[in-house]
Amino acid sequence: QVKLQQSGAELVKPGASVKLSCKTSGYTFSTSYMSWFKQIPGQSIEWIGMIYAGDGGTGYNQKFKGKATLTVDTSSSTAYMDLSSLTTEDSAVYFCARDGSTPYGWFAYWGQGTLVTVSS
Amino acid sequence: DIQMTQSPASLSASLGETISIECLASEGISSYLAWYQQKPGKSPQLLIYGANSLQAGVPSRFSGSGSGTQYSLKISSMQPEDEGDYFCQQSYKFPYTFGAGTKLELK
Repeated sequence: QVKLQQSGAELVKPGASVKLSCKTSGYTFSTSYMSWFKQIPGQSIEWIGMIYAGDGGTGYNQKFKGKATLTVDTSSSTAYMDLSSLTTEDSAVYFCARDGSTPYGWFAYWGQGTLVTVSS
Repeated sequence: DIQMTQSPASLSASLGETISIECLASEGISSYLAWYQQKPGKSPQLLIYGANSLQAGVPSRFSGSGSGTQYSLKISSMQPEDEGDYFCQQSYKFPYTFGAGTKLELK
C-alpha cells in the first residue's frame, strides 16, 4: 500500500533553515508528482508547490518562491522540502501529498505532517 | 489566484440529518474540484474528486455536485464519525487553492 512517512517535528530559530523529508513506498515514485502544503493549526491549507520525481521539474506557488525548495532522491524514493530564512509566520504543519502520474491535482495519499515551530 | 468561497463556516447537524456545504469559485474551474475531510491532528482525507466522483473507500452517503463556479458536498445521513473540518480545493489553475473550511459538528 502507498505510504508517505514524514520526518519529525522541528523547533528552529528565526533566520535558520530546515529540511523536511517525505519517504514514500508502495508505488512507483519516479513517475509521480508530489506536492507540499502548509497548514497553520485551525486554518485552511495552502499549496506550496509540486515536483515531478522523474526529472526533478518543479512548480511553485508564487507566495512560496524563495521560501521553499523542493527536491527528490529517487534512489530512496524520498521527497524533500527546504524552508529558508524562517520567521514565526512559517510556524505550521507541513504535509506532502502524492499526485498521480498525471497531475490532476487531487490528493488521495498524504503524509502525517511535520510540525515546524519557529521560535527563539 | 482563484478564490474559493466556502459556506457555511460551521454547521451543527443531528444524527441522520442531510447537510450540504457549498463552494463558490471566483472563476469557472471545469469540475476540477475536490473535497476533503480533516479530523484534528490528522491529514486531510480525499472524499470527492472531479466534482462528483467518490473516492474509493468513502461511504456512499457522501456525494458531490456542481459545475462552472458553484459546487457542493452533500452528506445524506449525518453520522458521528462525520464530525470534522471539510475543505474544497480547485486544481484548474496553479496555484491550487482551498476554501476556508467548514467545521461540522454533531448536534
